[in-house]
Amino acid sequence: EPEVTQTPSHQVTQMGQEVILRCVPISNHLYFYWYRQILGQKVEFLVSFYNNEISEKSEIFDDQFSVERPDGSNFTLKIRSTKLEDSAMYFCASNLNTGELFFGEGSRLTVL
Amino acid sequence: QKEVEQNSGPLSVPEGAIASLNCTYSDRGSQSFFWYRQYSGKSPELIMSIYSNGDKEDGRFTAQLNKASQYVSLLIRDSQPSDSATYLCARRGTGFQKLVFGTGTRLLVSP
Repeated sequence: EPEVTQTPSHQVTQMGQEVILRCVPISNHLYFYWYRQILGQKVEFLVSFYNNEISEKSEIFDDQFSVERPDGSNFTLKIRSTKLEDSAMYFCASNLNTGELFFGEGSRLTVL
Repeated sequence: QKEVEQNSGPLSVPEGAIASLNCTYSDRGSQSFFWYRQYSGKSPELIMSIYSNGDKEDGRFTAQLNKASQYVSLLIRDSQPSDSATYLCARRGTGFQKLVFGTGTRLLVSP
């Protein structure tokens, strides 16, 4: 069964460092997303991406964040200068046009 | 007002009972609704989607939608200890692809 894959599963970084989280969405999907979940809190939307551009972003997705689809398979989230409050699980998701999102296993980011 | 509201729980039910999970939403333009299950430390896993008023059944799960009351529910029949997880309600609005999630309800099924 096709699935969304994410790497790394866990990354520990120092405050102020740049982090890149990688995702391979399901191959025939058209819409790609990043969500995050701070420990004990709800799943929050960050950004959606369609047709090689951002289609929507939340207030959380400020200038420190960027997304890219560098080739036909990868979808990346970059955090330029990490803060302590960026510590969270970051989930990549994808879908066709059906609304049903399929999530990857997540990347746990710990900022020290 | 929260966009998608759920009781955080925990909701405790004995094995074999029916678990009833509820969700309300504020945006009347919401068109599609989804229930996800999330085990601790894991990613959300889609259980069901529902788009029309009424009931939708899939195995032990039944989703119910009432757009007039802005209310969505999930019934789990014959609850099993393996059903113990947090259940997330999500909605999608017209013309927007993103899903907005509630905080989730933690379900505990005791043997």
